[in-house]
Amino acid sequence: NAGVTQTPKFQVLKTGQSMTLQCAQDMNHNSMYWYRQDPGMGLRLIYYSASEGTTDKGEVPNGYNVSRLNKREFSLRLESAAPSQTSVYFCASSRDRNYGYTFGSGTRLTVV
Amino acid sequence: GENVEQHPSTLSVQEGDSAVIKCTYSDSASNYFPWYKQELGKGPQLIIDIRSNVGEKKDQRIAVTLNKTAKHFSLHITETQPEDSAVYFCAARSNFGNEKLTFGTGTRLTIIP
Repeated sequence: NAGVTQTPKFQVLKTGQSMTLQCAQDMNHNSMYWYRQDPGMGLRLIYYSASEGTTDKGEVPNGYNVSRLNKREFSLRLESAAPSQTSVYFCASSRDRNYGYTFGSGTRLTVV
Repeated sequence: GENVEQHPSTLSVQEGDSAVIKCTYSDSASNYFPWYKQELGKGPQLIIDIRSNVGEKKDQRIAVTLNKTAKHFSLHITETQPEDSAVYFCAARSNFGNEKLTFGTGTRLTIIP
């Protein structure tokens, strides 16, 4: 029972490099989300996808792009990484608005 | 939009004692309030949730209470154990607009053996 799978678990990037964080869920959930977690800031929403084929900005979308590839997969792309994007990134999914989220185990990203 | 405030930011209790974490929300249209537990190096995990048509919900040693009039909700953990040590997040979801949850900033709970 995999739930939400995120890859990679750890990544170090140089300023200006690009990368894609991958997320996949096997629970047939409709909605998927990307959050970043910083000390003292809690969980802040970057982007979300309420259903396959739709994406919307969250609280802190600048510097990121997303793709809802299909119902299972939702990727987060950093086009030109900046030190301010050093954070732990969590992907989550939910069945619909009446249910809570299932989170992945996170990607710890360091931009130097 | 919704704003969720969570207190305290850190909490230490003796093993066996009770712990209470409180959250307030701003959007009176919010109707779903989950609580998450995050252990070191892991993602948050849903431990209990409550909907606006219920005032209290209990699951073994944990309970959540909701006061819609005052717009606050609380997590209660009784007979605390060392494995309860973690960061706890509250969240709220509005009945209108998109489906996203707004999270509090977290409470680091430490159980002292």
